[in-house]
Amino acid sequence: GENVEQHPSTLSVQEGDSAVIKCTYSDSASNYFPWYKQELGKRPQLIIDIRSNVGEKKDQRIAVTLNKTAKHFSLHITETQPEDSAVYFCAARRGGFQKLVFGTGTRLLVSP
Amino acid sequence: KAGVTQTPRYLIKTRGQQVTLSCSPISGHRSVSWYQQTPGQGLQFLFEYFSETQRNKGNFPGRFSGRQFSNSRSEMNVSTLELGDSALYLCASSGKGAGDTEAFFGQGTRLTVV
Repeated sequence: GENVEQHPSTLSVQEGDSAVIKCTYSDSASNYFPWYKQELGKRPQLIIDIRSNVGEKKDQRIAVTLNKTAKHFSLHITETQPEDSAVYFCAARRGGFQKLVFGTGTRLLVSP
Repeated sequence: KAGVTQTPRYLIKTRGQQVTLSCSPISGHRSVSWYQQTPGQGLQFLFEYFSETQRNKGNFPGRFSGRQFSNSRSEMNVSTLELGDSALYLCASSGKGAGDTEAFFGQGTRLTVV
């Protein structure tokens, strides 16, 4: 079945640095790739997503890139701030369905 | 616009009991999916419903079941609870189509089995 691998599991950066989280998916039929941020005790919140017909998408300090050939997609956060500290999950989904297959999560810690 | 609402927020049950969790999607959304979140297994897909039909089911035992009503509200039921069923159960609501739209999560129901 579909599998999504996510790295690293933890990431510590200084405020103002950039952070990159990488995911690899196995199902070539996946065509939608969202990223969720989950703060402690809260629900996962969608922060950015990308569809398979797009190679890159940016929203202020957050960007996502997709390499369909390699089945890789990555989250880039620039100018990190302490409030970016959270667990980030990548996910993949096939067209026509809502089932999301999640990566194992990356705990991002941004130190002031 | 109200978000996804899950009730109850917290539950404590004893092994062998059964439990029913409820999810009210965003108004106008017709798709509801359920996930189990545990520290060890992460976010695991349980079921997916669209217009009262289960369209997909994850790799969970038959003790886990669900349904969706005509108003798109959904329930999931876990029978014969086991200690390992302790988890945060999240539901996600998606737009008017059967797929291809963003999923928004509720706050979850924290189930503790003792």
